Amino acid sequence: NAGVTQTPKFRILKIGQSMTLQCAQDMNHNYMYWYRQDPGMGLKLIYYSVGAGITDKGEVPNGYNVSRSTTEDFPLRLELAAPSQTSVYFCASSYSKGLRPDTQYFGPGTRLTVL
Amino acid sequence: DAKTTQPPSMDCAEGRAANLPCNHSTISGNEYVYWYRQIHSQGPQYIIHGLKNNETNEMASLIITEDRKSSTLILPHATLRDTAVYYCIVSLPYNQGGKLIFGQGTELSVKP
Repeated sequence: NAGVTQTPKFRILKIGQSMTLQCAQDMNHNYMYWYRQDPGMGLKLIYYSVGAGITDKGEVPNGYNVSRSTTEDFPLRLELAAPSQTSVYFCASSYSKGLRPDTQYFGPGTRLTVL
Repeated sequence: DAKTTQPPSMDCAEGRAANLPCNHSTISGNEYVYWYRQIHSQGPQYIIHGLKNNETNEMASLIITEDRKSSTLILPHATLRDTAVYYCIVSLPYNQGGKLIFGQGTELSVKP
């Protein structure tokens, strides 16, 4: 199992550009998540998905869009990049059912700089 | 806002047990206690979770007080590779409306 993979590892964008951060998992997890982490801070949830075709906002969704057309993939789209979106982005997945606990598995992250 | 309180930093000698405390005085009955860690620049790594009972796995032990208002993560023989930020998180499962909220965590430095 590759687990959770993310591409690209690094990216520099100019203000106003757009891009898509890719995330894929091969563990057949139903839940997937996008977080951002600013320097010296904890992770903040951007969006999450409970299954193909279903997404919901997290704490900091403004400036981002997501889609989930398959169980495996959960891309994050940045439209009109702004310096405030400079951050490290982590994708995660988990299997959630009933009252069982969620243990999330994280990808290696994408380091994004907007200049 | 994070529902847990952790010391910002701790030191531990290599080979010794590292005991990381966490207060979660407002925990509710169905909320789990999770521990994750983040080694510099990497994605967070799940360590262990518990509900009411103490738990142990190959990485660590989790001791939860009887009133569930606090817990301690124990790394029995800390190595230099255990240097990381450790996050204590209290949450319902996602499908019950829970969210993992990562606070500032405890920065553990394991020293030779």
